[in-house]
Amino acid sequence: DAGVTQSPTHLIKTRGQHVTLRCSPISGHKSVSWYQQVLGQGPQFIFQYYEKEERGRGNFPDRFSARQFPNYSSELNVNALLLGDSALYLCASSLGRDRYEQYFGPGTRLTVT
Amino acid sequence: AQKVTQAQTEISVVEKEDVTLDCVYETRDTTYYLFWYKQPPSGELVFLIRRNSFDEQNEISGRYSWNFQKSTSSFNFTITASQVVDSAVYFCALDSGAGSYQLTFGKGTKLSVIP
Repeated sequence: DAGVTQSPTHLIKTRGQHVTLRCSPISGHKSVSWYQQVLGQGPQFIFQYYEKEERGRGNFPDRFSARQFPNYSSELNVNALLLGDSALYLCASSLGRDRYEQYFGPGTRLTVT
Repeated sequence: AQKVTQAQTEISVVEKEDVTLDCVYETRDTTYYLFWYKQPPSGELVFLIRRNSFDEQNEISGRYSWNFQKSTSSFNFTITASQVVDSAVYFCALDSGAGSYQLTFGKGTKLSVIP
């Protein structure tokens, strides 16, 4: 079975622009979470979606938004990009809402110049 | 608030040595889950283990073993007879639930295994 897939792999944007990152979970997984990993740090939780509803939100500004589609894939949107948004964005999927193992995708490397 | 501390930023060992990666956590919840993930240079986080707060039994999986001690709020990870392929950044993470499933990660320990 395919693992979690993310697109694009790499992305370069300019300050002030908008970006959309995409994630497809493992087949059968209904929960998708997004994490931001700045170089040299551990991942930080941004959002969790389960059954197309937002179930959790980390300490990120409103410039960050996400949604989950009927097929359980997900998009992360970031508006008005800042240099500090440069990071590896990781998507994770799990079977259920709570306490199941989360399986991570390869990530999208976003560079903001 | 939850917190995970991995005090060892970087560790270097010679191949075949044993190495222990430390993890100390803080939470007020009585029910919680602890995880270890491996992040090789490719960047993808690889799930290694999940342990719930009610199960303090140590676990062994091949060359990997985990020591969970609630009394000291620690969940340490030992690699026996290390190999070059073990070189990666290892993250300890905590899930305290409270209605949403979000992992709190430590800053990671970079392990370098020298041939």
